[in-house]
Amino acid sequence: SQTIHQWPATLVQPVGSPLSLECTVEGTSNPNLYWYRQAAGRGLQLLFYSVGIGQISSEVPQNLSASRPQDRQFILSSKKLLLSDSGFYLCAWKLGANVLTFGAGSRLTVL
Amino acid sequence: QQQVKQSPQSLIVQKGGIPIINCAYENTAFDYFPWYQQFPGKGPALLIAIRPDVSEKKEGRFTISFNKSAKQFSLHIMDSQPGDSATYFCAAWEGRGSTLGRLYFGRGTQLTVWP
Repeated sequence: SQTIHQWPATLVQPVGSPLSLECTVEGTSNPNLYWYRQAAGRGLQLLFYSVGIGQISSEVPQNLSASRPQDRQFILSSKKLLLSDSGFYLCAWKLGANVLTFGAGSRLTVL
Repeated sequence: QQQVKQSPQSLIVQKGGIPIINCAYENTAFDYFPWYQQFPGKGPALLIAIRPDVSEKKEGRFTISFNKSAKQFSLHIMDSQPGDSATYFCAAWEGRGSTLGRLYFGRGTQLTVWP
């Protein structure tokens, strides 16, 4: 069966520090992968999506970037975190045509 | 720019009540409309979904009503239970069948069901 892993689960970082959040998927190949951010009162905001290795589309211009170095690995990064980057980051993959399946999320607090 | 508008932001009902959550959209390219349920500290999970050529879909106590001409859809929870207390998100797929499909979410509704 397919599973999706995210780490770290929680992270507290100072403003200006770098960020790396990792997502891996097991049990499938060539999945569409997505990064969402959930901030209080703003719902789930699509940040990036990827249809294959090295192929990244950005939905919202921001302080973050994404990379897909391997078929089942999706990484969210920042060179210098801002306070506004705090939130709950969710990785997801697309199963079939209709279903987006989410990981357990990574909670980032920027101080 | 919020592609899917959701209301209310929060909802409190008594056990057995029927909470209703409403969503609206403008993008006519949206072609599939799921609802997700999220418990605290967890990722959202698919609850129920509807195609735009169907006006209603029921799964257990959950019902989606869809009005294509008005570009609105809603979730009804029959005989609500305390275990239904969660955040509910409506969403809309753009190009779900293509490799470039993207899913856009509403802002969420925090539902509390009192025993």
